[in-house]
Amino acid sequence: NAGVMQNPRHLVRRRGQEARLRCSPMKGHSHVYWYRQLPEEGLKFMVYLQKENIIDESGMPKERFSAEFPKEGPSILRIQQVVRGDSAAYFCASSPPESNYGYTFGSGTRLTVV
Amino acid sequence: AQSVTQPDIHITVSEGASLELRCNYSYGATPYLFWYVQSPGQGLQLLLKYFSGDTLVQGIKGFEAEFKRSQSSFNLRKPSVHWSDAAEYFCAVGFYGGATNKLIFGTGTLLAVQP
Repeated sequence: NAGVMQNPRHLVRRRGQEARLRCSPMKGHSHVYWYRQLPEEGLKFMVYLQKENIIDESGMPKERFSAEFPKEGPSILRIQQVVRGDSAAYFCASSPPESNYGYTFGSGTRLTVV
Repeated sequence: AQSVTQPDIHITVSEGASLELRCNYSYGATPYLFWYVQSPGQGLQLLLKYFSGDTLVQGIKGFEAEFKRSQSSFNLRKPSVHWSDAAEYFCAVGFYGGATNKLIFGTGTLLAVQP
């Protein structure tokens, strides 16, 4: 049973480009969480999704960031028109339904904006 | 607002020495409490968690943590540190009854182990 798979592991984008980060949850997990880790900081919650629904996006920046978790396929975190300040590690976690914080984290995507 | 404080940014201990990493939280009720470890370039691995019951919690890799309500603390301990324990450690809190199960993390403590 594979863990939470994130790809790519490393992503380099020029300012103004789009970044797409993918997260495939563990088998049987229908809840996905995205967190961002800025340099020398802890993880900050961004968004919580269930299949085809955004449940809580209170941590998402108001502009340029969006997330989806379609019925089929991985969850996608999309950052449009990236800026240097978007450089960070983005972690995805998944959990089964009705789980009390039963998270499993992926290894993250390290985004560098040049 | 809820918050988590890890006052020690960086700690160095000798291999075989004991370890205590501090964590304090701010919340109006008893939260759920977690310790995670992150090795360089890796994701987070859960060491242990506290939801209720016995305030001394045992985790993986020989770690334990004690919840002290009066001090709003959940410090992580290990009696004898191994070189492989060098990593970054994060304390996190979750909240009973929340609809989201989101975690609030501290800023982390980077542990170095001297031979």
